[in-house]
Amino acid sequence: GQSLEQPSEVTAVEGAIVQINCTYQTSGFYGLSWYQQHDGGAPTFLSYNALDGLEETGRFSSFLSRSDSYGYLLLQELQMKDSASYFCAVRDRGTDKLIFGTGTRLQVFP
Amino acid sequence: GAVVSQHPSWVICKSGTSVKIECRSLDFQATTMFWYRQFPKQSLMLMATSNEGSKATYEQGVEKDKFLINHASLTLSTLTVTSAHPEDSSFYICSAPTSVGTGELFFGEGSRLTVL
Repeated sequence: GQSLEQPSEVTAVEGAIVQINCTYQTSGFYGLSWYQQHDGGAPTFLSYNALDGLEETGRFSSFLSRSDSYGYLLLQELQMKDSASYFCAVRDRGTDKLIFGTGTRLQVFP
Repeated sequence: GAVVSQHPSWVICKSGTSVKIECRSLDFQATTMFWYRQFPKQSLMLMATSNEGSKATYEQGVEKDKFLINHASLTLSTLTVTSAHPEDSSFYICSAPTSVGTGELFFGEGSRLTVL
């Protein structure tokens, strides 16, 4: 099965940079995804790492190291609207199911 | 615009009643849909995989007789919470994969169920 662990909460100020880590134990997956979810809303897709390395999408970057069973989401130039929950997730290679991490609540302060 | 539409967004019901939640794929066919449940301040937990034309597959610990899933067409999957109780109050959300091998799912808007 799949198990993905994240810090429960991270706080930062506007304009700062924050990194949200994701460590996993998995038997096989296509890649590591990141989703953002605001309170009461549906998750929205942020990024996907199929291969090891860094993927950059605007202010957000995501990294994957399969050898270390580790990934992270990097958010730069934080804005108040970035306050949300962030989830890493893997797509199981055998079942095609998307399994979510424990989630990290990011609070951005002025 | 939304590619997966979920209805209703909010539902309040009395204990013991059944509630149906619909999930429709718009402009594409979804042979597979996933149903998740999310309690406050927790992660999304996969409940079941809905397969068009065949029985749904349920995750361990999910009662298949309580959470009835029907995938009658390539664009519609339904989740019925039967004999709902207060502990079933949760955020239920459906999703459909964009394509095999990618990390992205299209999510519905979610349904907030409150059982009194």
